[in-house]
Amino acid sequence: DADVTQTPRNRITKTGKRIMLECSQTKGHDRMYWYRQDPGLGLRLIYYSFDVKDINKGEISDGYSVSRQAQAKFSLSLESAIPNQTALYFCATGSGTQPQHFGDGTRLSIL
Amino acid sequence: AQTVTQSQPEMSVQEAETVTLSCTYDTSESDYYLFWYKQPPSRQMILVIRQEAYKQQNATENRFSVNFQKAAKSFSLKISDSQLGDAAMYFCAYSMLDSNYQLIWGAGTKLIIKP
Repeated sequence: DADVTQTPRNRITKTGKRIMLECSQTKGHDRMYWYRQDPGLGLRLIYYSFDVKDINKGEISDGYSVSRQAQAKFSLSLESAIPNQTALYFCATGSGTQPQHFGDGTRLSIL
Repeated sequence: AQTVTQSQPEMSVQEAETVTLSCTYDTSESDYYLFWYKQPPSRQMILVIRQEAYKQQNATENRFSVNFQKAAKSFSLKISDSQLGDAAMYFCAYSMLDSNYQLIWGAGTKLIIKP
């Protein structure tokens, strides 16, 4: 089983819809991250969390919200999706100075 | 601003030969960590190699090695004996304690392996 699981793997939706992307981990890491990947731009940080009570904005948090339901679960929501939020979204986990581990990504298309 | 620059959008190499991917970064910190991640067409993000800035010795992982030049803020990746399975996007990134270990990413280099 994957250490970091993202659902769904792919999603197509319409402008204005509310979308939730989910992430769960079995690595026991305290830190969890949501990134967005656009062609030619690498990855950009949306939100990150160090524990259930700690949520922090990243570089591009506008239009997104998150919830850390448990140490192992971190979800990303788009309250009212717009086409320029079409991207590949990654969840990652980390602990201390160790490298982050990534899920397989969710490809989101907003029409 | 903290930045990572990968100046080669695309590189190609003949199978079994050696290729070097370039990365430069900009930070005023002295304690940080550098990474190379690989993203194959399957889109997984896979850690290739990691370097602690306080270590002078260059990291190696089998066919992958880095040339870390701290003063020049350069962190290149050398792939020896290139294999078809090495074809992927390669991303350079770094993290620092002062930024809560957030990863700062380059835009990536697409590596093509010619059979």
